[in-house]
Amino acid sequence: AQKVTQAQTEISVVEKEDVTLDCVYETRDTTYYLFWYKQPPSGELVFLIRRNSFDEQNEISGRYSWNFQKSTSSFNFTITASQVVDSAVYFCALSGTTSGTYKYIFGTGTRLKVLA
Amino acid sequence: EADIYQTPRYLVIGTGKKITLECSQTMGHDKMYWYQQDPGMELHLIHYSYGVNSTEKGDLSSESTVSRIRTEHFPLTLESARPSHTSQYLCASSVGPREKLFFGSGTQLSVL
Repeated sequence: AQKVTQAQTEISVVEKEDVTLDCVYETRDTTYYLFWYKQPPSGELVFLIRRNSFDEQNEISGRYSWNFQKSTSSFNFTITASQVVDSAVYFCALSGTTSGTYKYIFGTGTRLKVLA
Repeated sequence: EADIYQTPRYLVIGTGKKITLECSQTMGHDKMYWYQQDPGMELHLIHYSYGVNSTEKGDLSSESTVSRIRTEHFPLTLESARPSHTSQYLCASSVGPREKLFFGSGTQLSVL
């Protein structure tokens, strides 16, 4: 079975602090894909990053960085020098091809509040 | 960037009405999905489709039904709306599990 766990329900930080959002996944697939999405108060889901199971290189994009570790089945997301505009709900997701299905499994989300 | 459209954006209706939520995409994606989400909460997969004439129920039981007669169109229908159906409904599509999901803007449904 596939599962994504985001244990942090809500995080509050003060602007300019660094914050890490945790994502732990379970899958039996040898090939799978991990994603992060941002959902601001407007409600639309914004794609942030995709990572495949063969690429364990960390990635940095501006203030955002992602740490993928297969050994711990984790795909954590760090925002450096957080800003108020980063306030949103962040979802981690997993997709694979178990039994020929093509579902995307989402975690329960982490609500990030960045206070001015 | 997203070429996936949902209408209406907001819908307020009375109990017992039949409604159809529209979802269309112009990207030629075979895979399409419907998610139900309460504000800021977990996304629940309620229906998905791998192509024309293919539909499957998702992980969350839903009284809604879907159809896929054309690649670009994946409407969701509620035969008799109830207050428990009040939620946001998000439509999404992709070329496959290797690629990201494209989401529509969602339909916020309120059943009185």
